[in-house]
Amino acid sequence: QKEVEQNSGPLSVPEGAIASLNCTYSDRGSQSFFWYRQYSGKSPELIMFIYSNGDKEDGRFTAQLNKASQYVSLLIRDSQPSDSATYLCAVNSYYTGGFKTIFGAGTRLFVKA
Amino acid sequence: SAVISQKPSRDICQRGTSLTIQCQVDSQVTMMFWYRQQPGQSLTLIATANQGSEATYESGFVIDKFPISRPNLTFSTLTVSNMSPEDSSIYLCSVEEALSRSQVPNEQFFGPGTRLTVL
Repeated sequence: QKEVEQNSGPLSVPEGAIASLNCTYSDRGSQSFFWYRQYSGKSPELIMFIYSNGDKEDGRFTAQLNKASQYVSLLIRDSQPSDSATYLCAVNSYYTGGFKTIFGAGTRLFVKA
Repeated sequence: SAVISQKPSRDICQRGTSLTIQCQVDSQVTMMFWYRQQPGQSLTLIATANQGSEATYESGFVIDKFPISRPNLTFSTLTVSNMSPEDSSIYLCSVEEALSRSQVPNEQFFGPGTRLTVL
């Protein structure tokens, strides 16, 4: 069973700080990696994707991928109260018949004003 | 990006009854996915629905309990049959779209979800 593991949190950071969210995955053949944000009572929405080792920056968000360690992270700089949500790590892996996206359980983030 | 609607948005049902959830997409898509998200849990894939063929179910989910229809490229239904309180959950449909012309990787878009409570 291919797995995606996240610390469920909650992770609490003060406004303006850096929030660091981590994710590990079990399938070494995984191809693509995603971070989704889910506000309470809402559907998940994609905020970042990465498929090459290293860092990828988009505004206040940086995704980091280390395939050798099977580790992907999301950094949120200058955290805002509006960033308070659950962040889902998702990994796209190959199964018989095609690719499938597996979601982690999510990390709840609270940004305190 | 795909826009997805679901009906109903929420329902409260009695044990032993069935509920059919509808999912409508504003564009034609090859594959549609049905997920379940129980309180405080992540998304669990129930099945993948391709137009014109039988749905592919994940381990732990069976067609008799969760029959799926996919009559065309913009619509699908999921039925939760013979419900029990353990079926209380949010049910989400989703579709994939390529993030770029290179097709790698695909982004998933989710519908607003159907919140089901079984008494």
